[in-house]
Amino acid sequence: KAGVTQTPRYLIKTRGQQVTLSCSPISGHRSVSWYQQTPGQGLQFLFEYFSETQRNKGNFPGRFSGRQFSNSRSEMNVSTLELGDSALYLCASSLEDRSYNEQFFGPGTRLTVL
Amino acid sequence: QKEVEQNSGPLSVPEGAIASLNCTYSDRGSQSFFWYRQYSGKSPELIMFIYSNGDKEDGRFTAQLNKASQYVSLLIRDSQPSDSATYLCAGLGSWGKLQFGAGTQVVVTP
Repeated sequence: KAGVTQTPRYLIKTRGQQVTLSCSPISGHRSVSWYQQTPGQGLQFLFEYFSETQRNKGNFPGRFSGRQFSNSRSEMNVSTLELGDSALYLCASSLEDRSYNEQFFGPGTRLTVL
Repeated sequence: QKEVEQNSGPLSVPEGAIASLNCTYSDRGSQSFFWYRQYSGKSPELIMFIYSNGDKEDGRFTAQLNKASQYVSLLIRDSQPSDSATYLCAGLGSWGKLQFGAGTQVVVTP
């Protein structure tokens, strides 16, 4: 079974621009979560989508948004990029059972904001 | 205060020895706990999860959970150089969010 895929793997943007990242979950997984990982803050939860609905949201500004499509693929968007948005953005998918919520991570998208 | 706390390390372990990693959490409603391994430049890889008090063993790895003390641990037996990585503890909180600790760096020395 193929793992979680993320595109693009690397991205360089300048301040003020916007960016869209894509995530395809493991086949059969209906939940997709997004995380930001930086050396200083570690792994921080952005949001979780299940059946095209945002089910949970972390403490990030409204510039960070996401959506999920009917095939469970998900995108996240960051508008008006800031230097501090430079990070590894990780997507993780899981089955719908929330009790255990085993999450499997994709390879990530490395975003650099100049 | 972070909801999940880990010592950042590095934890230096001789090859063949037992590595002991600890994690504490503040959300008493947390149901399940996960240990991920992350190699430098790679994404986290799930090693184990545990949701009942006690021990859970999988190969060279043993996870321990004590909900009364809000404590989770991971033991790595017969440590190998390939175990050198950052180990992330995560708890599924009462609001359904997975909260990660900052990670403990493990260095296995030959």
